Amino acid sequence: DTAVSQTPKYLVTQMGNDKSIKCEQNLGHDTMYWYKQDSKKFLKIMFSYNNKELIINETVPNRFSPKSPDKAHLNLHINSLELGDSAVYFCASSQEGGQGAYNEQFFGPGTRLTVL
Amino acid sequence: GESVGLHLPTLSVQEGDNSIINCAYSNSASDYFIWYKQESGKGPQFIIDIRSNMDKRQGQRVTVLLNKTVKHLSLQIAATQPGDSAVYFCAENNYGQNFVFGPGTRLSVLP
Repeated sequence: DTAVSQTPKYLVTQMGNDKSIKCEQNLGHDTMYWYKQDSKKFLKIMFSYNNKELIINETVPNRFSPKSPDKAHLNLHINSLELGDSAVYFCASSQEGGQGAYNEQFFGPGTRLTVL
Repeated sequence: GESVGLHLPTLSVQEGDNSIINCAYSNSASDYFIWYKQESGKGPQFIIDIRSNMDKRQGQRVTVLLNKTVKHLSLQIAATQPGDSAVYFCAENNYGQNFVFGPGTRLSVLP
């Protein structure tokens, strides 16, 4: 059984289009995340979200927006795609541990987005 | 913070040798660290973690060392195997804030 799944695995689209990437976790976790990994393999957090709070990395353009229909899903919507958005996007989830507590993040397999 | 070079740092080791992957973290207040392994075409996978009140932690074939004085973390892999070939990331956390990932090191295991 896949713990964190993403669809699609590959997404090729034209500049200016709007697209979505879906993420689902079946671990019962409270918190979900989106990361962007560039061509140099650098991983950077974009959003973290639980049922209480959305934390946005201030460097993320507002063309990117997370949408959570329920606790098990956190989808990523991207408007007006740009060439620089080409990257691999990873969804992850973890169990909320409370202040000062840490829990491992489980990552999905990634979605490779190519903007032409 | 961490600087990202033009090329991903690569470590090449012979199969059966020990590997040491290093990471310089940025925040002296970070109190929790994780090493992740990312194989080609997959997402990062947890290997081992360590809290700042420890200097060393051992897992199966892996050991993490933490030197808070110089903000340095290392991952040691004993008897490196072909299946260990991957990109390895360290990640730091400061009291429940979001994890910050290092730039990654590619480990290549030579036959």
